[in-house]
Amino acid sequence: QKEVEQNSGPLSVPEGAIASLNCTYSDRGSQSFFWYRQYSGKSPELIMFIYSNGDKEDGRFTAQLNKASQYVSLLIRDSQPSDSATYLCAVNRAAGNKLTFGGGTRVLVKP
Amino acid sequence: GAGVSQSPRYKVAKRGQDVALRCDPISGHVSLFWYQQALGQGPEFLTYFQNEAQLDKSGLPSDRFFAERPEGSVSTLKIQRTQQEDSAVYLCASSRGATGGGFQETQYFGPGTRLLVL
Repeated sequence: QKEVEQNSGPLSVPEGAIASLNCTYSDRGSQSFFWYRQYSGKSPELIMFIYSNGDKEDGRFTAQLNKASQYVSLLIRDSQPSDSATYLCAVNRAAGNKLTFGGGTRVLVKP
Repeated sequence: GAGVSQSPRYKVAKRGQDVALRCDPISGHVSLFWYQQALGQGPEFLTYFQNEAQLDKSGLPSDRFFAERPEGSVSTLKIQRTQQEDSAVYLCASSRGATGGGFQETQYFGPGTRLLVL
């Protein structure tokens, strides 16, 4: 079992719909959780991070964390074709430590 | 600089050749990380520096891989006697600090070096 699991996709959503991405992790010592977006041939760029159980909203993005279930998700509201990319979930145990990434979920937003 | 920079952006090496990949972190960032990303996979951790100290090298796949950051700024990842399985994108990331948590631990990635070993 990989430490961080994501459905590889592709997740196909119509423009304007909500895209829902899921990520599970195995290490209960994980403290910080990150969502990165990666366009083809480009490097990962941070979308948002979350540390506490519950929801965190930033514009069209909402991250949800449930440490008891070892589950973190990302919702993209009003999906746009420019949101088409691979979304990487990453976790780390403590400040300054390495990030452990999932394999990424490829999202396709169709006009 | 404004962001993390890496050079070269592309490198083609013959099997058995040595290569050196350079990373310039964001100015003032204490922590520096190297990751390896194979095609279609998420990045995998290689090694971590806090200033000039290499605190974690558990992800280096073999003793052919060596990294340094002698003055606590620029870092070099060296791969000796390259093999075809070394073909990947090598990503460098930096973060503000190792303490305090929160925004300071957010890692910002450079554009990567795409290595192809023939």
